[in-house]
Amino acid sequence: EEQLVESGGRLVQPGGSLRLSCAASGFAFANSVMSWVRQGPGKGLEWVSSFGGTTNNTYYADSVKGRFTISRDISKNTLYLQMDSLRAEDTALYYCAKGYCSRTTCYHLQLDLWGRGTVVTVSS
Amino acid sequence: SYELTQPPSVSVSPGQTARITCSGDALPKKFVYWYQQKSGQAPVLVIYEDTKRPSGIPERFSGSSSGTMATLTISGAQVEDEADFYCYSTDTSGDHWVFGGGTKLTVL
Repeated sequence: EEQLVESGGRLVQPGGSLRLSCAASGFAFANSVMSWVRQGPGKGLEWVSSFGGTTNNTYYADSVKGRFTISRDISKNTLYLQMDSLRAEDTALYYCAKGYCSRTTCYHLQLDLWGRGTVVTVSS
Repeated sequence: SYELTQPPSVSVSPGQTARITCSGDALPKKFVYWYQQKSGQAPVLVIYEDTKRPSGIPERFSGSSSGTMATLTISGAQVEDEADFYCYSTDTSGDHWVFGGGTKLTVL
């Protein structure tokens, strides 16, 4: 069974750092395109960052560029989001999601598997 | 920065047709994806590439796109369809992804 499990969320002070993890199982993680999507309290979905499967390309929303870094460890089937210089507006539920891959192409926007999320609270 | 615009809310009676729109300047050239998020749950893909329905999604869900506007249609909406719906697409560069603001669908 395909599964994504996020962890690492907690209360952190403004200006602090945090690393989120997303453990993947049941699919070919090394070839997959993966994304982080967040949802602030009572707010809508916001795309944060994506990682290209075999290309290793990385993509960031303007709101986090220069502060967040997406990476992965294929040996551990785990996706990461390193979050630095955190701000109050980064407070959110952070989801990890997998893009659909056919035999030849992967689709970043076709998110066919989501985790349950991990909560990040930035507050003093 | 690129934006996708959705109405904040749509309300229909059970059995009626619900239509949720999403507008954006890049939509004539970029596909739209639609996600349903029920309260307290992770989002679920209901339409991909403007018009295609993933397996397991009821046939009453359909999508269309024309010009700068995409539409999610729920024909014969049911109470269990109540949720927030989000469109998702990319700007013309293709490397910045954006969600619409979300539309709360009420069926009662």
